[in-house]
Amino acid sequence: QQQVKQSPQSLIVQKGGISIINCAYENTAFDYFPWYQQFPGKGPALLIAIRPDVSEKKEGRFTISFNKSAKQFSLHIMDSQPGDSATYFCAATIGAGYALNFGKGTSLLVTP
Amino acid sequence: GAGVSQSPSNKVTEKGKDVELRCDPISGHTALYWYRQRLGQGLEFLIYFQGNSAPDKSGLPSDRFSAERTGESVSTLTIQRTQQEDSAVYLCASSLVASGGQDTQYFGPGTRLTVL
Repeated sequence: QQQVKQSPQSLIVQKGGISIINCAYENTAFDYFPWYQQFPGKGPALLIAIRPDVSEKKEGRFTISFNKSAKQFSLHIMDSQPGDSATYFCAATIGAGYALNFGKGTSLLVTP
Repeated sequence: GAGVSQSPSNKVTEKGKDVELRCDPISGHTALYWYRQRLGQGLEFLIYFQGNSAPDKSGLPSDRFSAERTGESVSTLTIQRTQQEDSAVYLCASSLVASGGQDTQYFGPGTRLTVL
């Protein structure tokens, strides 16, 4: 069963706009929530990650918002650029050394 | 340094044939993971190796799938008697498993398997 649910499946945003991707999870044992970015023909690459002891983490134009009580987390891409066009996956796991549970991915297209 | 490498990058095979997929992890990484990515889907965990511990095989979809790892280096994923539903991109990842730290998994480019 899908342990991490991701939405939307696809997203089109104009250059300069804000892209928002949402994820929800059920397993309260999860304590590490990374986001991966994948370009066509490439493997996923870690973009940003958060632990549940903080509600927000920002790295440049990318921000993760985390709501522990709602068991939800989201990725915000500010000032979206055409180069951000890729598939984004949220994931969750229990600490280090465990398999990642991935969402189904969001295909983001940023139009010029 | 070099990242995770996988070979071949593409593999086309006929239904019923066996295939072997190879993964070279980042040097020094003790953990190695195999995932499968079907078209338009997220990544599904297959198997996990950590040091000399018994591998976690809980994600393998059937007994046609198996994997081996030589020490803390190369891993081979074998699919016997391939079926059309095995068509997917097979991704390998490795990580350092630093105690108390973020266990970032670094992915290879994947092997695209097509079963005709």
